[in-house]
Amino acid sequence: QVQLVQSGAEVKKPGASVKVSCKASGYTFTSYYIHWVRQAPGQGLEWMGMINPSGGYTAYAQKLQGRVTMTRDTSTTTVYMELSSLRSEDTAVYYCARDQKMATTYPDYWGQGTLVTVSS
Amino acid sequence: QRVLTQSPSASASLGASVKLTCTLNSGHSTYAIAWHQQQPEKGPRYLMKLNSDGSHSKGDGIPDRFSGSSSGAERYLTISSLQSEDEADYYCQTWGTGLYVFGTGTKVTVL
Repeated sequence: QVQLVQSGAEVKKPGASVKVSCKASGYTFTSYYIHWVRQAPGQGLEWMGMINPSGGYTAYAQKLQGRVTMTRDTSTTTVYMELSSLRSEDTAVYYCARDQKMATTYPDYWGQGTLVTVSS
Repeated sequence: QRVLTQSPSASASLGASVKLTCTLNSGHSTYAIAWHQQQPEKGPRYLMKLNSDGSHSKGDGIPDRFSGSSSGAERYLTISSLQSEDEADYYCQTWGTGLYVFGTGTKVTVL
């Protein structure tokens, strides 16, 4: 069965960076895009960007350009999302999600989420 | 103008039906959408893809009481025989060239 298992909660200070991992299993890792979506406390879902695990191609939301980096390790079927220059507004639950195909369409499986708290 | 518009809340009694609406703006009125459910304190779960002609394909294990339909720029999610575990936030989402966006969500309360 398809599983996306994310790393644990993080607490970071403003200005620091955080790197969240998402280990995929139960399917061919290089055949489906992975998206990152975040949800601030009490708010809705915000798309952050995507990565093609096959070639490593990425596309990011304009508001996060320059601060977000998505990478992958095909040997461990893991995708990473790193967010730098953290601000209090980055406090959120971060989700990885698998696209239903090798394209940017919609996610059909979601990770369990990783809470990132930015606080001094 | 928002691409996707959802009502903030909806409610219905246990065992009844509720119909949620996701409206696409005029520039995207023919787009397909996906519906996702988020139960309290849980991550989202994919429910279905819904096309402009009303055809839809559901995710693994999604009960038959979840169905989708379309009319013009509106995309609907109907939940029949409401159960307590259906109390959740429901998000629509659409995509296209340079576009990947979620609606603001509808909170469903089971009375």
